[in-house]
Amino acid sequence: GENVEQHPSTLSVQEGDSAVIKCTYSDSASNYFPWYKQELGKRPQLIIDIRSNVGEKKDQRIAVTLNKTAKHFSLHITETQPEDSAVYFCAASMGGNNRLAFGKGNQVVVIP
Amino acid sequence: KAGVTQTPRYLIKTRGQQVTLSCSPISGHRSVSWYQQTPGQGLQFLFEYFSETQRNKGNFPGRFSGRQFSNSRSEMNVSTLELGDSALYLCASSPGAGEATGELFFGEGSRLTVL
Repeated sequence: GENVEQHPSTLSVQEGDSAVIKCTYSDSASNYFPWYKQELGKRPQLIIDIRSNVGEKKDQRIAVTLNKTAKHFSLHITETQPEDSAVYFCAASMGGNNRLAFGKGNQVVVIP
Repeated sequence: KAGVTQTPRYLIKTRGQQVTLSCSPISGHRSVSWYQQTPGQGLQFLFEYFSETQRNKGNFPGRFSGRQFSNSRSEMNVSTLELGDSALYLCASSPGAGEATGELFFGEGSRLTVL
C-alpha cells in the first residue's frame, strides 16, 4: 500500500518567517495530495490540496508544490503567525475513494 | 449545517472487553471513513463505508469492524480490546459520490483508553 513519509517531525520558526514541510510518497498511482492542520485538542481540518495534474497551488499564505517524478510534495507557509502553530499532516490517495495514507505529522511552532 | 458528530467522546475499557463507537456524518454525506490516531503512528485508515457498503479496508485485524446504516450513520466495533487499541478514533464524512477524492470532514473523535 501507499507509504507517506513526512520531514521534519518538528519545526520551530520565528513569527514572520516561512515554514516548509516536505512529504514523500511511494505509490506512483497516487493522484490526490491534501494537507490537514490539527490544532491541539481539535479535529484535523483540510487547509489545501493538490491533484496530480497540477504542479503548484496557492491560497493566500499557503502553497503546495508537487513533483511527480520525484514523488514528493511540500507545504509552504509564508509570513507565519502564532495561529499557524499546529500539527500538519500530509496525505496521499489514489482517488475514487477516501482511503488516505497520512504521514505521521509535523509539529510546527511559531515563536512570537 | 451540523458537523460530524461522534459519540461517546471519551471512554475507558478493560482488556478483553468490546466497544462500539458511533458517527453521524454531515447531512447529505454518504461516505464515512474511520481513522485511528496515535502519537507514534499518526492517522491510520481503518475502513470506509459508502451507501451501507464497505468500500475500502485498512490493515487492521478482524477485531475491528464497522457498518453503515441507511441514514449514513456509521458504527465501528472493536472486540477483545488490547492495550494497544488505546487511541483517538476519528470519523470523517464526505459526499462520497464520483471518482475524485475530496475533502474529509472530521469529527472530534472518540478517545478510547484500554486498561
